[in-house]
Amino acid sequence: SQQGEEDPQALSIQEGENATMNCSYKTSINNLQWYRQNSGRGLVHLILIRSNEREKHSGRLRVTLDTSKKSSSLLITASRAADTASYFCACPAPGGSYIPTFGRGTSLIVHP
Amino acid sequence: EAQVTQNPRYLITVTGKKLTVTCSQNMNHEYMSWYRQDPGLGLRQIYYSMNVEVTDKGDVPEGYKVSRKEKRNFPLILESPSPNQTSLYFCASSLSGTEYGYTFGSGTRLTVV
Repeated sequence: SQQGEEDPQALSIQEGENATMNCSYKTSINNLQWYRQNSGRGLVHLILIRSNEREKHSGRLRVTLDTSKKSSSLLITASRAADTASYFCACPAPGGSYIPTFGRGTSLIVHP
Repeated sequence: EAQVTQNPRYLITVTGKKLTVTCSQNMNHEYMSWYRQDPGLGLRQIYYSMNVEVTDKGDVPEGYKVSRKEKRNFPLILESPSPNQTSLYFCASSLSGTEYGYTFGSGTRLTVV
């Protein structure tokens, strides 16, 4: 069953702007992952944040996790046209599944 | 190169004709999973496997079978495909459950007519 849901469903920005996507989930988790998918292609793992971490960075990506609010955010700074893609959060399914479940994703378009 | 290989990339078939989508990983990963992706529905899990001979149902297992006879291979079998199984399918693998990121294959676009 689905655990995480991304918001907004779609986001359109200009190159150089920051893009923020949010993920809300339902039950306690040990960690949360973010993935990117270019149109019709396989998902690519971006970052994993554990429940005892509040913030994590990877290049232009910043992920935060607020376990009290059951939410996470992905910030892409100084976006580029090549960042155009769908972004998904992935969480363990309720009940402690070892396999991540994915939300419907946020479709990001970065205009040159 | 570390990768998950799915075959075929594209497949058009007729209703009722059994087919197999192969998935192979070269990273010695324990966990493997199949997802289908449909517009507006995101990725939904079909089946997963935590090790050789250990498989379990995901959210949408009806009409699918899997097997895990070897660690590297995790084929998806559609015994009698129907048009509602037209979808984009992904195989993914991970070193260990949700503690590590998953590596995805390039996808198989299946059309059942």
